Amino acid sequence: DAKTTQPPSMDCAEGRAANLPCNHSTISGNEYVYWYRQIHSQGPQYIIHGLKNNETNEMASLIITEDRKSSTLILPHATLRDTAVYYCIVISPGYTDKLIFGTGTRLQVFP
Amino acid sequence: AAGVIQSPRHLIKEKRETATLKCYPIPRHDTVYWYQQGPGQDPQFLISFYEKMQSDKGSIPDRFSAQQFSDYHSELNMSSLELGDSALYFCASSLRKPTYEQYFGPGTRLTVT
Repeated sequence: DAKTTQPPSMDCAEGRAANLPCNHSTISGNEYVYWYRQIHSQGPQYIIHGLKNNETNEMASLIITEDRKSSTLILPHATLRDTAVYYCIVISPGYTDKLIFGTGTRLQVFP
Repeated sequence: AAGVIQSPRHLIKEKRETATLKCYPIPRHDTVYWYQQGPGQDPQFLISFYEKMQSDKGSIPDRFSAQQFSDYHSELNMSSLELGDSALYFCASSLRKPTYEQYFGPGTRLTVT
């Protein structure tokens, strides 16, 4: 499995955009980047995923660099409820789809 | 929208006892996953089932077994419980194709005393 590297923690002011980076320099051509988050002791929540193109949904945007070695999850207007641990996970659908959670980024949104 | 249901939500057992955790996936989802999250740790994959067949296996102890039934619900059976088995156990389900997004249940908190 390709490994990912994320900063252990980040802060963001409420109402501002939260930009969470992820490095996945060993990603291979058929591997996708998935983002999940876990609010304290709740089940992890799917956010978004992408292969090579940028993606947007009602929760967030995902920007993937052209060489696919890194990506950024963008929460456009962070709220206090976005305080959580965010996980960037690389998987190869069709081969294995288990989620290997790394240490993630603990995002603290403050008033 | 229907979500993943897990029961029980809390379970207290003594060492060497047996526990059974149940998971009811989102309707029409064909894959079920089990994860274990110890105190202060990240979730760890245990095992998964696709169309009632085991599809992948992680670091699941031999004391644990799981299966998926004809109605797609799944059960995780844990025997000879140890103090270190105290954890949150999450079940997730997905419709494997085309997107493989996993939707997690609220978890079962198992405490072994």
